[in-house]
Amino acid sequence: GQNIDQPTEMTATEGAIVQINCTYQTSGFNGLFWYQQHAGEAPTFLSYNVLDGLEEKGRFSSFLSRSKGYSYLLLKELQMKDSASYLCAVKVDSNYQLIWGAGTKLIIKP
Amino acid sequence: DGGITQSPKYLFRKEGQNVTLSCEQNLNHDAMYWYRQDPGQGLRLIYYSQIVNDFQKGDIAEGYSVSREKKESFPLTVTSAQKNPTAFYLCASSLALEGTQDEQYFGPGTRLTVT
Repeated sequence: GQNIDQPTEMTATEGAIVQINCTYQTSGFNGLFWYQQHAGEAPTFLSYNVLDGLEEKGRFSSFLSRSKGYSYLLLKELQMKDSASYLCAVKVDSNYQLIWGAGTKLIIKP
Repeated sequence: DGGITQSPKYLFRKEGQNVTLSCEQNLNHDAMYWYRQDPGQGLRLIYYSQIVNDFQKGDIAEGYSVSREKKESFPLTVTSAQKNPTAFYLCASSLALEGTQDEQYFGPGTRLTVT
C-alpha cells in the first residue's frame, strides 16, 4: 500500500526554526511536494524535490533522501503568518496523481 | 489574473438530493482534479481528467460523477448514493507536462454540508 506519515501537530516560537518531517512508503517515486494550507483555504505550493539534497527558497528549505523515504521542510525566522498546516505529497508515477499525507498543523506562539 | 474558481464557497443540501460543485480554470491547464478533505486525513482523489472528454476514477469515486466537456471546466456532482457527503471539496489543475514538476494549483474549495 501507499503510506505517508507526518506529525499531526507541532508548536514553535516566533523567530525560531522548525523542521517538519515526512516519511513515505510508496510503490514508486517521481517527486515530493510540500504545500501550505491555512485553515479553510486552498493549499498553496511551497517546494518540490525529485533528487536527493536540499532545495532552498528564502525562509523555506526542503530536503529529500530517496533511499530513506524521508523528507523535511525547514522554516526559518518563523512569523505568525506561518501558522498553517503543511502537507507532504508524493507523485508515485507519471500519471500526475499525488498521494497526500494528513498534514502537520504548525502553531506559532509569540 | 489566471486562477481556479470554485463556487459556491458554502453549500447546504438535504439528504437524498444531488448537488453539483463548479470548478473553472483559466490557466490553460490540461489536467484537472477533484479532492475531498476530511479532518485528520490527507486529500483523497475523487476523479481526475487529463484531457477534454476523458476522466478517470480516483480512490473514492463511488457516489460521485464528473464531466469534462470543456478544457476550462470540470464540475463534480455529489449524488444521493454518496454515504458521507459532508466535507471540504477542492478542485485543482496542472499543466500535465511530462518531465516537469507539474505542481497542482488549487481553487478556494467548497464546504458542503448535507443534513
